[in-house]
Amino acid sequence: DGGITQSPKYLFRKEGQNVTLSCEQNLNHDAMYWYRQDPGQGLRLIYYSQIVNDFQKGDIAEGYSVSREKKESFPLTVTSAQKNPTAFYLCASRYRPRSTDTQYFGPGTRLTVL
Amino acid sequence: ELKVEQNPLFLSMQEGKNYTIYCNYSTTSDRLYWYRQDPGKSLESLFVLLSNGAVKQEGRLMASLDTKARLSTLHITAAVHDLSATYFCAVSMEYGNKLVFGAGTILRVKS
Repeated sequence: DGGITQSPKYLFRKEGQNVTLSCEQNLNHDAMYWYRQDPGQGLRLIYYSQIVNDFQKGDIAEGYSVSREKKESFPLTVTSAQKNPTAFYLCASRYRPRSTDTQYFGPGTRLTVL
Repeated sequence: ELKVEQNPLFLSMQEGKNYTIYCNYSTTSDRLYWYRQDPGKSLESLFVLLSNGAVKQEGRLMASLDTKARLSTLHITAAVHDLSATYFCAVSMEYGNKLVFGAGTILRVKS
């Protein structure tokens, strides 16, 4: 089955720790995206990548880092510099980065800082 | 800075009734998306609207776009319980790479 997988589904982190969220897609999509969703709010863009080995900051990139070494994978690291990381994190992908294609979303990772 | 406002933020409807969700945005955009989210779940794409006057329909949902007014609507016809979810509009910048989302409309359909 083609799709987007995110792991883990739930993640607990102690303050001061870095954590990495996984996002993998087997849809052969060029573009991938990371969003953050806080309770009762819409999604906010953290980072996006239009092609392997290239990525751009979104609206709330501070305290986060990404890499795009493979087309299928776009991991997100939440660093200790992110002051309020507790949120629902959604990864998305799109077939072509500059097109009318829609973004397809993964199931999400719920991160809680203890 | 692009701002997107949805209203209402919460909508409680009786089954069989019609209603409209509004999405206003502040600057010119190249396309607009509507998504659905069930509680605790991911987002499901509903519609992408590309040009002024675009109208798309799927079942009991119909979306339209007026780029001159910077307004999109999501119309619900004869609501059923299965439509209960949160609906988001998202306005595109940079050819769909940067989406700015509204806060979402929580729809509850009561029987």
